[in-house]
Amino acid sequence: EPEVTQTPSHQVTQMGQEVILRCVPISNHLYFYWYRQILGQKVEFLVSFYNNEISEKSEIFDDQFSVERPDGSNFTLKIRSTKLEDSAMYFCASRDFERPEQYFGPGTRLTVT
Amino acid sequence: GESVGLHLPTLSVQEGDNSIINCAYSNSASDYFIWYKQESGKGPQFIIDIRSNMDKRQGQRVTVLLNKTVKHLSLQIAATQPGDSAVYFCAERMEYGNKLVFGAGTILRVKS
Repeated sequence: EPEVTQTPSHQVTQMGQEVILRCVPISNHLYFYWYRQILGQKVEFLVSFYNNEISEKSEIFDDQFSVERPDGSNFTLKIRSTKLEDSAMYFCASRDFERPEQYFGPGTRLTVT
Repeated sequence: GESVGLHLPTLSVQEGDNSIINCAYSNSASDYFIWYKQESGKGPQFIIDIRSNMDKRQGQRVTVLLNKTVKHLSLQIAATQPGDSAVYFCAERMEYGNKLVFGAGTILRVKS
């Protein structure tokens, strides 16, 4: 069964450093998403991406964040200068054009020290 | 504003019993609802979804009920098994929207 994959599973970085989180969505999907989940809290929407552009973003997704689909399979989330409060699980999700359900990857645990 | 909330943080059931997990939503403009299961260290796993033009949908051992009058969503799991132990999230999507708004989550513990 096709699934969303994410790398790395755990990333530790120092405050102020740049990180890139990588995702490979399900191959025939056209909509891509990033969500995050701070420990013990809700899953929060960050950004959605369709047709090579951002279609919606939340207040969390400020100028420090960017997304890219550098090739036909990868979808990345970059945080330019990490802050302590960026520590969270980051989930990538994707869906196809016809059906609304989003399929999530296993997540990347980001720890900012 | 948008919000989806779960009333009970933890639900304990005996193996073999039926489980009911509840969710209240506040946005009447939401047109689509979805339940996810999240096991420790994993991403949310799709269970079942329902559109706002329906009030019930059944899957394998799971049923989702939607009551738009009181803005309530529930997930029923029949014959609960130890493998059902996880955190369950409901989420909603606003009409013609894109993002999912998640509730706080309910922990389901199945006792053998």
